[in-house]
Amino acid sequence: AQSVTQPDIHITVSEGASLELRCNYSYGATPYLFWYVQSPGQGLQLLLKYFSGDTLVQGIKGFEAEFKRSQSSFNLRKPSVHWSDAAEYFCAVGVNQFYFGTGTSLTVIP
Amino acid sequence: GAVVSQHPSWVICKSGTSVKIECRSLDFQATTMFWYRQFPKQSLMLMATSNEGSKATYEQGVEKDKFLINHASLTLSTLTVTSAHPEDSSFYICSARDLGQGGLGNTIYFGEGSWLTVV
Repeated sequence: AQSVTQPDIHITVSEGASLELRCNYSYGATPYLFWYVQSPGQGLQLLLKYFSGDTLVQGIKGFEAEFKRSQSSFNLRKPSVHWSDAAEYFCAVGVNQFYFGTGTSLTVIP
Repeated sequence: GAVVSQHPSWVICKSGTSVKIECRSLDFQATTMFWYRQFPKQSLMLMATSNEGSKATYEQGVEKDKFLINHASLTLSTLTVTSAHPEDSSFYICSARDLGQGGLGNTIYFGEGSWLTVV
């Protein structure tokens, strides 16, 4: 069965510190992989996506993610977090239907 | 990037009435759109997959007669909540699939969401 796991429900980091949000999935084949960010009361904005090719993908706002097939993971990273990065982050996988993780809430402290 | 517009952003309706939410892909044609419901501090729950020109596919547990979905054109899908009740109050989000040039892409873009409050 297909599933997406974001093990960290909530993460707190200091501004300027590095960030890694974890995403693991279970899928029959290699799916398309996405990371979205959601600010309170708003829709979801696409940060980055992986279809094929280079397993390290760059996204908007300084985010990157690395696809590791052997670990069925697609972790999101940012070298230096800004206060404006505080939001909810969702990992999604799929091909024709898309499955979302439960989200990771990021708090950034000054 | 591609844009998906959702309207209205906020709507308040009386219990027993119906309300329609529109989802438009503004710069691409979307043969497939998705409707989600999101409860506070929770993930997105897929309600149905809307395919242009055909009936929507509803997820288990979603009442198709209550949540009417119409995808009459390649750029517009609508969700109508019929005979709304307070428990239908929620954040509804649509998304549209952009297959890109030659159908080689497969990216999902989301609308801004619609807050529905039933009083």
